[in-house]
Amino acid sequence: QQQVKQSPQSLIVQKGGISIINCAYENTAFDYFPWYQQFPGKGPALLIAIRPDVSEKKEGRFTISFNKSAKQFSLHIMDSQPGDSATYFCAASHNYGQNFVFGPGTRLSVLP
Amino acid sequence: ETGVTQTPRHLVMGMTNKKSLKCEQHLGHNAMYWYKQSAKKPLELMFVYSLEERVENNSVPSRFSPECPNSSHLFLHLHTLQPEDSALYLCASSQVFGERGGMSEAFFGQGTRLTVV
Repeated sequence: QQQVKQSPQSLIVQKGGISIINCAYENTAFDYFPWYQQFPGKGPALLIAIRPDVSEKKEGRFTISFNKSAKQFSLHIMDSQPGDSATYFCAASHNYGQNFVFGPGTRLSVLP
Repeated sequence: ETGVTQTPRHLVMGMTNKKSLKCEQHLGHNAMYWYKQSAKKPLELMFVYSLEERVENNSVPSRFSPECPNSSHLFLHLHTLQPEDSALYLCASSQVFGERGGMSEAFFGQGTRLTVV
């Protein structure tokens, strides 16, 4: 129940295309869902996050869509750029938690 | 300095050595974490120091020993490691609000790339 599933494992997108990464969870106590971006040789950095009281959050080219009933959330990267090539992790935590549960990651490659 | 700083950035050690990884956070957070990141594996939580409590992943071998002298500093002491312990070790911090208040997002350091030979 503590798992967060993430797909696909890897993704190749043409420049200007839309990148979509999906995550699913089981624990209904989760109430905070951040996405992290990690470049090679760097630590993960927070990209965008959502709480389940909203179904969508947008920041620039990055959008999180959240489906509470399905216990799924996804990251959409619009107008993908080669600089977006990185590994993306979804994560979840709950209101009495002291740590995050991370998905296994998606390696995104955006071709020029 | 800002954020979460880890030293060293790279470490090569023999299986009989003893070394320590250091992490310092300048964010005023009250929780610090050690994660292990291996190739093609999820981020593995090793240890949490939060609200003056220590929580550990029971699957972490005893050759890894954490120390948290205060809320800003975190160490990972290493001894008699195995080659399979080679990985990127990430430190993170966050603010835990307690009493079902949840926590802020985690801020990560750059990591220490550890190679055991």
